[in-house]
Amino acid sequence: GQQVMQIPQYQHVQEGEDFTTYCNSSTTLSNIQWYKQRPGGHPVFLIQLVKSGEVKKQKRLTFQFGEAKKNSSLHITATQTTDVGTYFCAAPTRGNEKLTFGTGTRLTIIP
Amino acid sequence: DGGITQSPKYLFRKEGQNVTLSCEQNLNHDAMYWYRQDPGQGLRLIYYSQIVNDFQKGDIAEGYSVSREKKESFPLTVTSAQKNPTAFYLCASSVPVTGFTGELFFGEGSRLTVL
Repeated sequence: GQQVMQIPQYQHVQEGEDFTTYCNSSTTLSNIQWYKQRPGGHPVFLIQLVKSGEVKKQKRLTFQFGEAKKNSSLHITATQTTDVGTYFCAAPTRGNEKLTFGTGTRLTIIP
Repeated sequence: DGGITQSPKYLFRKEGQNVTLSCEQNLNHDAMYWYRQDPGQGLRLIYYSQIVNDFQKGDIAEGYSVSREKKESFPLTVTSAQKNPTAFYLCASSVPVTGFTGELFFGEGSRLTVL
């Protein structure tokens, strides 16, 4: 089935540094979603991207959808301790009946 | 408050026993999903249901069973046939929008440990 590859698997950054996670698919995606899961918590929806080349911002978070709609990225500027967690991308499969999740990028912050 | 309630939060079971995880939502969502998460890994889809009395296998359905007799409820049974049942189980729901899967709302999860 469709796979969504996400890199890196882990990222340790100093507080204040930037962070980026990448999501790649071998097939064209109709849309892509991003979720954040805090340690010990459950995934929480962040955003959905639909259009080719789309860029959306949420405060320090910038989300991009590639021109070919096969890749996406999440960039966090000037990380804070509240950014700790695992970030997942997710893409629809089997029409739009279900979401396939990437393996996630676990972000830890060094104070 | 509207949301998804999973119970129990923690569950211990002996090998060879079946166990049922509860998932209830009052969001009036049509679609419901069960995902499994193993340490350091992503979420893998077990079963999903788009409508009452109908459900489909996900990517790792072997050893699991579900029912969808009511819109609000989507219980998951982990059977003794599941070889590695120790995991964190997450239930989710969504309102599918035409052309899109819709945002998933997750419960707080159930952590199953097989002794």
